[in-house]
Amino acid sequence: GEDVEQSLFLSVREGDSSVINCTYTDSSSTYLYWYKQEPGAGLQLLTYIFSNMDMKQDQRLTVLLNKKDKHLSLRIADTQTGDSAIYFCAESMGNNDMRFGAGTRLTVKP
Amino acid sequence: NAGVMQNPRHLVRRRGQEARLRCSPMKGHSHVYWYRQLPEEGLKFMVYLQKENIIDESGMPKERFSAEFPKEGPSILRIQQVVRGDSAAYFCASSPSAGGSYEQYFGPGTRLTVT
Repeated sequence: GEDVEQSLFLSVREGDSSVINCTYTDSSSTYLYWYKQEPGAGLQLLTYIFSNMDMKQDQRLTVLLNKKDKHLSLRIADTQTGDSAIYFCAESMGNNDMRFGAGTRLTVKP
Repeated sequence: NAGVMQNPRHLVRRRGQEARLRCSPMKGHSHVYWYRQLPEEGLKFMVYLQKENIIDESGMPKERFSAEFPKEGPSILRIQQVVRGDSAAYFCASSPSAGGSYEQYFGPGTRLTVT
């Protein structure tokens, strides 16, 4: 396919882990990103990973990359209500052409 | 250091009117990108500009849309003779340099509603 694909919705309970999945399109993509969008706000970069890495961890966030399957995931440990937002996966070859998925709306229930 | 600023945050236009969206990049950033987000969709790239230059406008509709980033002042995205299908959120992002891992810093967006 030509699009970066993500499931549209995810619901978890507070304290649980959230895993948001993404399938990207271009095996030559160099950078893969996760952005967070809160209601009425712009996108905030959470983390990015180079395509030559398998995993990146940053506090509660863990990014896993399966380059063979072109699959990217974002795991949020100990999910909090403040994590409720839309999460966008994006790919880039390091130029101005950045392609975004449609976003996964994460709802965290108390 | 103020972030990327966009104004207005909300804009309502009647069909046939013109919409002007403004974007002030972060201080020290000379690269500006415009994206459009339709409901329930991801962001679609529209145009990439540097000061006084359009570098890539491959995502911009051929008619009615134009963008500029003058030497002084904000970047402007202009939509002439708006139609209902132009209703969307328009996001501006800036970066200090193109390419590499330099992330793009996004503004809060302008939500355009065409009635």
